[in-house]
Amino acid sequence: ETGVTQTPRHLVMGMTNKKSLKCEQHLGHNAMYWYKQSAKKPLELMFVYNFKEQTENNSVPSRFSPECPNSSHLFLHLHTLQPEDSALYLCASSRGGHTDTQYFGPGTRLTVL
Amino acid sequence: AQKITQTQPGMFVQEKEAVTLDCTYDTSDPSYGLFWYKQPSSGEMIFLIYQGSYDQQNATEGRYSLNFQKARKSANLVISASQLGDSAMYFCAMREGGDNFNKFYFGSGTKLNVKP
Repeated sequence: ETGVTQTPRHLVMGMTNKKSLKCEQHLGHNAMYWYKQSAKKPLELMFVYNFKEQTENNSVPSRFSPECPNSSHLFLHLHTLQPEDSALYLCASSRGGHTDTQYFGPGTRLTVL
Repeated sequence: AQKITQTQPGMFVQEKEAVTLDCTYDTSDPSYGLFWYKQPSSGEMIFLIYQGSYDQQNATEGRYSLNFQKARKSANLVISASQLGDSAMYFCAMREGGDNFNKFYFGSGTKLNVKP
């Protein structure tokens, strides 16, 4: 099993659709993260979960709804998205200590029509 | 103020030569970690190297080394003997201690092109 997996790898959706992105980590980590990476912009932290509790919501619009049922799984529920939400969505996990690195999944490339 | 600054949007290097990618950081926290990641065109962020703020020696991992100058708040990545497969985006990142320990701050990245 690779460390952090994400599904789907590619997603095309209309503005009225509802979809979910899934992330799973097999590293025994306690913290999980969602990032958005748009073209020509720095990586944007969206949400952080530590031991299943949300510890960071970086002013993300409510059309993005995270869910963390356990320390190994993280979802990002999407509804009524805008074309500007098209981006690469990266999931990461870490053990949670400040010296611990994050390990990333391969990302989901999202296109909103 | 930006937490992480990478001033080189793009760099070229000849194959087999060494290259330095710049990174400066801003924090008042005495305890922090510095990281470098590589992102090929496939999109996945690959962890390369880590330097802790209390580490006395510069970190090294194979062909990667981190030139840590604490007083200057710089953490430059040095890639020795560049290979064609090193062509990618490179991101510098920082993690602080204290209550913010779960937040990573990323720079805007440097696109490295290795020429044959």
